[in-house]
Amino acid sequence: KQEVTQIPAALSVPEGENLVLNCSFTDSAIYNLQWFRQDPGKGLTSLLLIQSSQREQTSGRLNASLDKSSGRSTLYIAASQPGDSATYLCAIETSGSRLTFGEGTQLTVNP
Amino acid sequence: GAVVSQHPSRVICKSGTSVKIECRSLDFQATTMFWYRQFPKQSLMLMATSNEGSKATYEQGVEKDKFLINHASLTLSTLTVTSAHPEDSSFYICSAGDRVNDNEKLFFGSGTQLSVL
Repeated sequence: KQEVTQIPAALSVPEGENLVLNCSFTDSAIYNLQWFRQDPGKGLTSLLLIQSSQREQTSGRLNASLDKSSGRSTLYIAASQPGDSATYLCAIETSGSRLTFGEGTQLTVNP
Repeated sequence: GAVVSQHPSRVICKSGTSVKIECRSLDFQATTMFWYRQFPKQSLMLMATSNEGSKATYEQGVEKDKFLINHASLTLSTLTVTSAHPEDSSFYICSAGDRVNDNEKLFFGSGTQLSVL
């Protein structure tokens, strides 16, 4: 059974700082890995999707890496802004579009 | 881009009543939709896979008679929480996949916060 762990559970940083969120998973037989953003009481917004054959994806100030052999992924956020404050979720997709989520990292960027 | 609409966004009900949550794909057809539940400070947990025109597939530990799923069309799936109790209070989110050029991207609804008194 796939298990997804995210570290840290919460992170508070000053505006402008670069930061890294971590995700680890137990079963390397994955279809892809996604990073999502969730605002309080809201749905999910997909940030980056890395196919199992890829090693990283970039979108603006976000960069996500994937190391299947070690079962790890990182989400790098450059020059953080208060608007980046949210919960970030890592999810592993196995066959049939089924997602297994980590418990998330709650990020607070202080002005 | 593709949009998944979920209603209602918030429901407060008395114990014993049934609550229906709707999930609609607005710009695309989805043969499969997914229902997740999220308790406070916890991860999203897949409850069931909703298949258009056939019975839903439930995850282990999820009571199919408690959480009724209907996927009668390619754009609508409904989740009914029957005889809701306070322990059913949770955040429920649906998702649907839009396949473009052999790549399927999942889109999520905005979620439904259910509070059972």
